[in-house]
Amino acid sequence: EIVMTQSPATLSVSPGDGVTLSCRASQRITNLAWFQQRPGQAPRLLISDASTRATGIPDRFSGSGSGTDFTLNIGTLQSEDFAVYYCQQYEGWPFTFGPGTKLDIK
Amino acid sequence: QVRLVESGGGLVKPGGSLRLSCAATGFIFRDFYMSWVRQAPGKGLEILAYISTSGTYTEYIASVEGRFTISRRDDEKSLLLEMNSLRVEDTALYYCTRLGAAWEIDNWGQGVLVTVSS
Repeated sequence: EIVMTQSPATLSVSPGDGVTLSCRASQRITNLAWFQQRPGQAPRLLISDASTRATGIPDRFSGSGSGTDFTLNIGTLQSEDFAVYYCQQYEGWPFTFGPGTKLDIK
Repeated sequence: QVRLVESGGGLVKPGGSLRLSCAATGFIFRDFYMSWVRQAPGKGLEILAYISTSGTYTEYIASVEGRFTISRRDDEKSLLLEMNSLRVEDTALYYCTRLGAAWEIDNWGQGVLVTVSS
């Protein structure tokens, strides 16, 4: 099983700041997705294939990385961006998720 | 637009059974792989199982294999999850999800709550 880790667990930032979230896989992968989960809501797909934005996702969200290390960059944080972010590999079954990074308002 | 609506959740005793359903609209259901993902209260996400188009292939995670069965009814555009021998640790919000062309989860339902407690 591919183990996904994310750092940091929590990040306190201010609206208007930019942030970088990290995700690491226990082995080399290509198929990596990022999801956003707002409080009380279902997750939604932000990024697939490590860097392809999903339909309707603002361009302040960008994904990058390869191999085992991946990042999600969020530029100019809006109030609606304060949420939990999960990475997930869909390279090999089971398609495992990272534990998530929570963005808190500073 | 794509809509996935789960139903069938509730309170069940340990060892009991429950069947979840997911009604899909807004896309050609038979053309997509589907999966179930769960989230225990205050915890992260865990994909449980997926099913291929036509139901030819299924895969499960180890903790539910032999207890849960994923199936689909393409004529009714519905996804099912039959859950048997339920355990307290199966308590979670269960999401019906669609898998995209590259197997990414591209759409989620709103989830249905399953509580296993005596």
